Amino acid sequence: QSVLTQPPSVSGAPGQRVTISCTGSSSNIGAGYDVHWYQQLPGTAPKLLIYGNSNRPSGVPDRFSGSKSGTSASLAITGLQAEDEADYYCQSYDSSLSRVFGGGTKLTVL
Amino acid sequence: QVQLQESGPGLVKPSETLSLTCTVSGGSISSYYWSWIRQPPGKGLEWIGYIYYSGSTNYNPSLKSRVTISVDTSKNQFSLKLSSVTAADTAVYYCARAPRSDYYMDVWGKGTTVTVSS
Repeated sequence: QSVLTQPPSVSGAPGQRVTISCTGSSSNIGAGYDVHWYQQLPGTAPKLLIYGNSNRPSGVPDRFSGSKSGTSASLAITGLQAEDEADYYCQSYDSSLSRVFGGGTKLTVL
Repeated sequence: QVQLQESGPGLVKPSETLSLTCTVSGGSISSYYWSWIRQPPGKGLEWIGYIYYSGSTNYNPSLKSRVTISVDTSKNQFSLKLSSVTAADTAVYYCARAPRSDYYMDVWGKGTTVTVSS
C-alpha cells in the first residue's frame, strides 16, 4: 500500500479536462513538503512533469498544471490528447526521511 | 545534456546480492543527489535510496537492512547493492538525479530489468 493515495484510473475524451488527486498525511504533504508529478508512457522511464507543486520543466505543455492544498495535491490536464495516455505518479517526502510515491493513476483517452 | 545508464546482471539467484551501476554522462556527478528507484512488474514506483556525491546516504526504511549505495566520483558512477534477494525484488531498476535530498528527480535512466530466479 502506497503512502500517497491516487485513484487507480481516470479517463476522458479528447479535448476534455481530467484531474488526478494525490492524498497524503500530516507527515508528508501536510507537513509542507512539495509534491511532484511524473508521467510514464508505456515501456519507458518516468519523466518529470510538475515539480514544486505547480512548476513545469522546460518543454512540458501548459496543458499540464499542478496544485496543492492541505494534505492533498492535484494534477490537471486540459485539452486531453491521445498522447497523454500514460501512468501518472505523484511523489513527495515523508518525515520518516524517505521519498514516497503514490500508487499511480492510469489515464485512458477514450 | 546529462544522461544516466544502468548496467548489471539481468538475472540474480535467490539469497544472492543484486549489484547495479549507474553511469553519469554529459555532466558531473558532483553537487547532486543520486537515487535508485524500482518498479515491480505491473506495479508502482518504490524509492530505494540516494547517495550524495560526497558519500552521505539515505535509504528507504523498508529496505535499509539490505541496501548499500556507493559512489565513485572518478568514474562518474554510483552503485546499488541489494542483499538476500527474493522473487519480490524482481523489478525494473532506475537510477535518477535530484537537486536536493527531499525533492524531485529530474533526470532518469532508461531502467534495467532484474529477475530473481534460480
